[in-house]
Amino acid sequence: GNSVTQMEGPVTLSEEAFLTINCTYTATGYPSLFWYVQYPGEGLQLLLKATKADDKGSNKGFEATYRKETTSFHLEKDSVQVSDSAVYFCALRGETSGSRLTFGEGTQLTVNP
Amino acid sequence: NAGVTQTPKFRVLKTGQSMTLLCAQDMNHEYMYWYRQDPGMGLRLIHYSVGEGTTAKGEVPDGYNVSRLKKQNFLLGLESAAPSQTSVYFCASSYSAGATYEQYFGPGTRLTVT
Repeated sequence: GNSVTQMEGPVTLSEEAFLTINCTYTATGYPSLFWYVQYPGEGLQLLLKATKADDKGSNKGFEATYRKETTSFHLEKDSVQVSDSAVYFCALRGETSGSRLTFGEGTQLTVNP
Repeated sequence: NAGVTQTPKFRVLKTGQSMTLLCAQDMNHEYMYWYRQDPGMGLRLIHYSVGEGTTAKGEVPDGYNVSRLKKQNFLLGLESAAPSQTSVYFCASSYSAGATYEQYFGPGTRLTVT
C-alpha cells in the first residue's frame, strides 16, 4: 500500500535559518504529492503540491521538488520566520486512490527569534 | 463563506457514551472526509463520502459510523465511546474533479474519553 515517511521531529531553528524537512514515499506509479501546514489550534492548509515527476511546488517561500528516482518530496525554505512555526505534513494521493490522501506523521517546526 | 466548520470544538465523554460530530461545508464540494489525528501518527482516514447518500470505509473505521444525508453535511458517530477514541478529529471536503482534489479542512474537534 501507499505510505509516507517524514523526518523525525521536532525541529527547532533560529529565525533566518535554512529549513529542510525530509519526506519519502512508497507508492506504485505516479502519485500526486502535497505538503500541508497546521498552525496552532487550526486545521490543515495546503501549502504546495506537485503532480508529476520533476515538478516543483512553491508557496510562501517554501519549495519542494518531486523526485521520482529517490521517491522524495523534501520541503525547503531559505530563511524561516517565527510565523512559520507549525506542524508540517507530507501527503500523497495514489494513482488508484481516488481522492484519498495518505499522510506522514507530521514534523513540528519551532522558529525562535 | 465559512468553508468547513465542525461542531463541537471540545467534548469529554465517559466510556460507553455516544455522541455525534457534525461537519458542514458551504463550498458545494462533492467529497467529504473524517480523519483522526494522534501524536506521531499523522492523520488517518476514518470514513469518507463521494456524494450525498454514499459513504465508504477508510483506514480506521472500527467503532465509528457516518451519514451523509445532505450534500453539505457529514456526520461522524461514536455509538459506545472508548478511551482509544481520544483524539482530535478533522473533517475535510474536496471537489470531485481536478488533478489534485485539494482538501479543505475544518478546525478540528478535540475529544477526550475517560
